[in-house]
Amino acid sequence: GAVVSQHPSRVICKSGTSVKIECRSLDFQATTMFWYRQFPKKSLMLMATSNEGSKATYEQGVEKDKFLINHASLTLSTLTVTSAHPEDSSFYICSARAYGQAYYNEQFFGPGTRLTVL
Amino acid sequence: AQTVTQSQPEMSVQEAETVTLSCTYDTSESNYYLFWYKQPPSRQMILVIRQEAYKQQNATENRFSVNFQKAAKSFSLKISDSQLGDTAMYFCAFMNGLGAGNMLTFGGGTRLMVKP
Repeated sequence: GAVVSQHPSRVICKSGTSVKIECRSLDFQATTMFWYRQFPKKSLMLMATSNEGSKATYEQGVEKDKFLINHASLTLSTLTVTSAHPEDSSFYICSARAYGQAYYNEQFFGPGTRLTVL
Repeated sequence: AQTVTQSQPEMSVQEAETVTLSCTYDTSESNYYLFWYKQPPSRQMILVIRQEAYKQQNATENRFSVNFQKAAKSFSLKISDSQLGDTAMYFCAFMNGLGAGNMLTFGGGTRLMVKP
């Protein structure tokens, strides 16, 4: 199956700093990637849909200026948490759509990034 | 908007036994897809099984099978011969068609514990 990587897997930062999380599709091209947030023992909450070469579409209640998304190539999307605060601490997961009969247009998930803001 | 409901926050089953996880959904769409994802302690999301709404036949993948009741908007997952490695969070998910921007809507999850 298709592989999606995320980097870093864990990050600890001080309050007020910005953190960038990368999501890469390793063996396929992804015109669409998705960013999710997951709180402990909770479900995945969609934050935004990232489209290659265009602006991301954010879900209601997600601050665009807080969570900057860039999808500059067909294999890379980045999520930048700007001026991070302790309430931004969470597990962030990306996924990428893989097109074609072999992939059945499935979403493949990255392993996630645990962000801790002190 | 679509909603997905998993009414069982936690379940347990003895190793080698069979367990069924429930999922209901609400939609006005006719062309959609349903999924079960597994999230083990590593937190990597893994696709377990998928079902196309236009197919009447229930999907099966080895020990995993679904009971898809379209009229009732029900999509349960049956795990046969449960194994210790099946211990995980299980999420039911809905997707409206396969368009480029079509997103997954997840249920709240069911934590399954397989006991030796």
